[in-house]
Amino acid sequence: AQSVAQPEDQVNVAEGNPLTVKCTYSVSGNPYLFWYVQYPNRGLQFLLKYITGDNLVKGSYGFEAEFNKSQTSFHLKKPSALVSDSALYFCAVSANSGYSTLTFGKGTMLLVSP
Amino acid sequence: DVKVTQSSRYLVKRTGEKVFLECVQDMDHENMFWYRQDPGLGLRLIYFSYDVKMKEKGDIPEGYSVSREKKERFSLILESASTNQTSMYLCASSQGTPTNSGNTIYFGEGSWLTVV
Repeated sequence: AQSVAQPEDQVNVAEGNPLTVKCTYSVSGNPYLFWYVQYPNRGLQFLLKYITGDNLVKGSYGFEAEFNKSQTSFHLKKPSALVSDSALYFCAVSANSGYSTLTFGKGTMLLVSP
Repeated sequence: DVKVTQSSRYLVKRTGEKVFLECVQDMDHENMFWYRQDPGLGLRLIYFSYDVKMKEKGDIPEGYSVSREKKERFSLILESASTNQTSMYLCASSQGTPTNSGNTIYFGEGSWLTVV
């Protein structure tokens, strides 16, 4: 069975500082990996995904994520946080063979202080 | 832009009522999904469908059923609502065949259901 772990319930960072939201995964075979963001009382918005190719993936709003196969990780990063980045972030994984639905982590709340 | 529309944002229903949550997507996507979101539990898949009249159970199908009579519409049905079904329900859709699981899933705005 596939799974995602987001070890931090909450990440606090000051505006202008770099941010990292951690994600590790478990899946049979090679993964497809996704990050989504959710603002209060809204649905999930797609940020970025890793399918194949470069391990560093760039996405929306200046976010990027690095796929590390040996550590089974896909951490979300941004060089300089904004207060408006404060939201709930979800990592998700599916297997890249056969038909596999997305499995989501429990989410990490990012709070960026002014 | 992909648009997934959930017709009801906020609902309050009584225990034992039959509840319908409706979802429509406008991008001719083959796949549609219903998730449930609860604090500390993340998103859990209830049912999904990869074609009209087709449905597959997700991780937590008990107490729910679904209907997909048209490609653009996917309905979630609570046959007899219970208080433990109070939650946020998210509909989603994606393009692609059942063997291509790398396609992006697009979500609606969510439906907050309270069962009293």
